[in-house]
Amino acid sequence: QKEVEQNSGPLSVPEGAIASLNCTYSDRGSQSFFWYRQYSGKSPELIMFIYSNGDKEDGRFTAQLNKASQYVSLLIRDSQPSDSATYLCAVNNYGQNFVFGPGTRLSVLP
Amino acid sequence: NAGVTQTPKFQVLKTGQSMTLQCAQDMNHNSMYWYRQDPGMGLRLIYYSASEGTTDKGEVPNGYNVSRLNKREFSLRLESAAPSQTSVYFCASSEMGTYNEQFFGPGTRLTVL
Repeated sequence: QKEVEQNSGPLSVPEGAIASLNCTYSDRGSQSFFWYRQYSGKSPELIMFIYSNGDKEDGRFTAQLNKASQYVSLLIRDSQPSDSATYLCAVNNYGQNFVFGPGTRLSVLP
Repeated sequence: NAGVTQTPKFQVLKTGQSMTLQCAQDMNHNSMYWYRQDPGMGLRLIYYSASEGTTDKGEVPNGYNVSRLNKREFSLRLESAAPSQTSVYFCASSEMGTYNEQFFGPGTRLTVL
């Protein structure tokens, strides 16, 4: 059974701080990695994706991938109260299926 | 462009009743998916359809059936609802392939009494 693990949280950070969200996966053959944000009562929406080892930056968001350690993370700089949500890590193996982690609940305190 | 739409938004069933959840996408995607989301468990795949005319089981298919009616529409049927099927159901679609994101519908909140 392919697994994706995340700390469920809640992770609380003060406004303006860096929030660090982590995800580990079990299948070494995993090829693409996605971070989704889900507000309470809403559907998931894509924030970032990453395919290659290293860092990928998009505005206040940075995704980091380390395939040797089977680890992917999402950093949110200058966290805002509007970033308070659940963040889902998703891993795509061999083209067809996504496997989602349980999500980490982030709370940004004003 | 509506993206992915789902009906109904909310539904309450009694144990043993049946119903069909409808999903449609207007992005010309080949692949469509049905997930359920329970507290603390993330999204679990029920069934998926890689392309029109094909369907496959996901992680939790028991108690469900699906129909890929055409390229746009993918329905999920509960033949005899059980309280364990109380959940939020999301439909998603994507292009085929490893590097394509999934787009989600707004979800259906189902309660089985």
